[in-house]
Amino acid sequence: DAKTTQPPSMDCAEGRAANLPCNHSTISGNEYVYWYRQIHSQGPQYIIHGLKNNETNEMASLIITEDRKSSTLILPHATLRDTAVYYCIVSDSGYALNFGKGTSLLVTP
Amino acid sequence: GAVVSQHPSRVICKSGTSVKIECRSLDFQATTMFWYRQFPKQSLMLMATSNEGSKATYEQGVEKDKFLINHASLTLSTLTVTSAHPEDSSFYICSARPPSGSSYNEQFFGPGTRLTVL
Repeated sequence: DAKTTQPPSMDCAEGRAANLPCNHSTISGNEYVYWYRQIHSQGPQYIIHGLKNNETNEMASLIITEDRKSSTLILPHATLRDTAVYYCIVSDSGYALNFGKGTSLLVTP
Repeated sequence: GAVVSQHPSRVICKSGTSVKIECRSLDFQATTMFWYRQFPKQSLMLMATSNEGSKATYEQGVEKDKFLINHASLTLSTLTVTSAHPEDSSFYICSARPPSGSSYNEQFFGPGTRLTVL
């Protein structure tokens, strides 16, 4: 699996958009970009994934650059409950996920 | 999304005993399940890939005789930690992926099992 690079931590004010970047310059053509988050002492929660096109669901938006070497997860209106570690993972859909260190997002009042 | 459960959520045992952790996919069939463990302040590390009806595939450094995995049905995989020791204390998490051709293309994770070995 391709490796990813994420900032170790970020802060965001409640109600503002949280933009979490991820670099995956060695991604291959059949690998998806997945985003999961883990709230303390819980199992990871799926957020969103994409292959080439930008994606949006009820939780977030995923913006993937045209060359697919980087992406950004956008939480449009962050709340305190969005405080978690966010993992960006690239993987073929049928394989285990290789979790890096992720980005610890702190949403402040 | 699909739901994956784990049981128990928390277990405390004495050193030398065995502990079984169950992972169930509640509303879909999973031909493949994955087992991870997570030590404090670290990321999830893949332990093994569990395939229904066949032997599990273990990651390098994971003892297959110590961490027994059974995937006897399409909705249940079990992880048994045999002769547990304090260094096995960790957060064990399973995930399951709906079969190819389903509407899902992602894995779903269980809530995790906190194992403490005294």
